[in-house]
Amino acid sequence: GNSVTQMEGPVTLSEEAFLTINCTYTATGYPSLFWYVQYPGEGLQLLLKATKADDKGSNKGFEATYRKETTSFHLEKGSVQVSDSAVYFCAVNNTNAGKSTFGDGTTLTVKP
Amino acid sequence: ETGVTQSPTHLIKTRGQQVTLRCSSQSGHNTVSWYQQALGQGPQFIFQYYREEENGRGNFPPRFSGLQFPNYSSELNVNALELDDSALYLCASSFDLFEREQYFGPGTRLTVT
Repeated sequence: GNSVTQMEGPVTLSEEAFLTINCTYTATGYPSLFWYVQYPGEGLQLLLKATKADDKGSNKGFEATYRKETTSFHLEKGSVQVSDSAVYFCAVNNTNAGKSTFGDGTTLTVKP
Repeated sequence: ETGVTQSPTHLIKTRGQQVTLRCSSQSGHNTVSWYQQALGQGPQFIFQYYREEENGRGNFPPRFSGLQFPNYSSELNVNALELDDSALYLCASSFDLFEREQYFGPGTRLTVT
């Protein structure tokens, strides 16, 4: 089956610092890749996605590039804000969205 | 457009009891998936329903069962609750079966004592 390995956290950064959260995956066929964000006490929100190799997903200043050769989908943001503090999940699916496999999440704390 | 809603928000049950969790899909969505998210972990796929039929199941025992109704709302039932069933249960809906995006509800926090 599919699997996702995420960079272990927690990650603590100062405001305006550069963020990278690593994600690698194993999957058969042509998977789609996702980053979700979970704020305290809430469900998951889709942050960005990429559906084929070399696609770049982007949203709210976050970016991730689908790298098939390294089976990676690292999340980056050039300048984080306190409001970005949350748990970030990398996910993969290759049949339908509802059967996604998630990583264990990376907790990001941004300090003023 | 109404998003995915779940009820109740929180629930406390005793080991051995049964529980039913409810989910209303986003308008127009015919596919619902349920996930269990234990503390500090990512969501684990429980099962999926498409047009009232189960369409795949994760590694969960038969005491986890579900239903999808004609209006595409859904229930998750868990019998003979165990302490390890304590988790956040998430429902997610998709417009159709092979849609790549899903939309999550806020979850139901179940505590088993």
